[in-house]
Amino acid sequence: NAGVMQNPRHLVRRRGQEARLRCSPMKGHSHVYWYRQLPEEGLKFMVYLQKENIIDESGMPKERFSAEFPKEGPSILRIQQVVRGDSAAYFCASSRTGGTGELFFGEGSRLTVL
Amino acid sequence: QKEVEQDPGPLSVPEGAIVSLNCTYSNSAFQYFMWYRQYSRKGPELLMYTYSSGNKEDGRFTAQVDKSSKYISLFIRDSQPSDSATYLCAMSPLTGANSKLTFGKGITLSVRP
Repeated sequence: NAGVMQNPRHLVRRRGQEARLRCSPMKGHSHVYWYRQLPEEGLKFMVYLQKENIIDESGMPKERFSAEFPKEGPSILRIQQVVRGDSAAYFCASSRTGGTGELFFGEGSRLTVL
Repeated sequence: QKEVEQDPGPLSVPEGAIVSLNCTYSNSAFQYFMWYRQYSRKGPELLMYTYSSGNKEDGRFTAQVDKSSKYISLFIRDSQPSDSATYLCAMSPLTGANSKLTFGKGITLSVRP
């Protein structure tokens, strides 16, 4: 797990502010996934990215959420105008391949919206 | 009906007990079945991975898949306090698997010394 680095680990925002969560995949991994874990809920897929490409964003809310994985630097999950319902743990995972290769998760970023 | 249902727990057992964790699912397209272990405030880590029906054993852990019943299980033998964690079942269809993982809610297991 230590191989996938997420920051910040904890983030507190007031309603209406922006949250930016960063993820650096494991070395040699070019596939990045974001999952959200709401209280008392299972992990839910949000988005799958490769360098400079969004491959599958079928789990992303239509508004306020966006993700990118630039050629250089970490993947970023951006939440604009946060609301209390966005409070959750956001996990990033990476894999070497995009098929059925093992997913390695980071320790998560816990967002609290006041 | 949710795609993946997992016994809600929590579950508390004495050290040395055999633990049985179960999930049922409704989507017959699922082909890959996984169990993840998540310690408190940590990310999930892959514990067991099976394809299609059958059993797979790894040390004290056995994963079992019954596709005809749409039912998967994880057995832990000789449970240890270090096994105390939340266990998540996950499954995916044949293609594009990693982006289509569907997780159960997880069950929290506590092994008492």
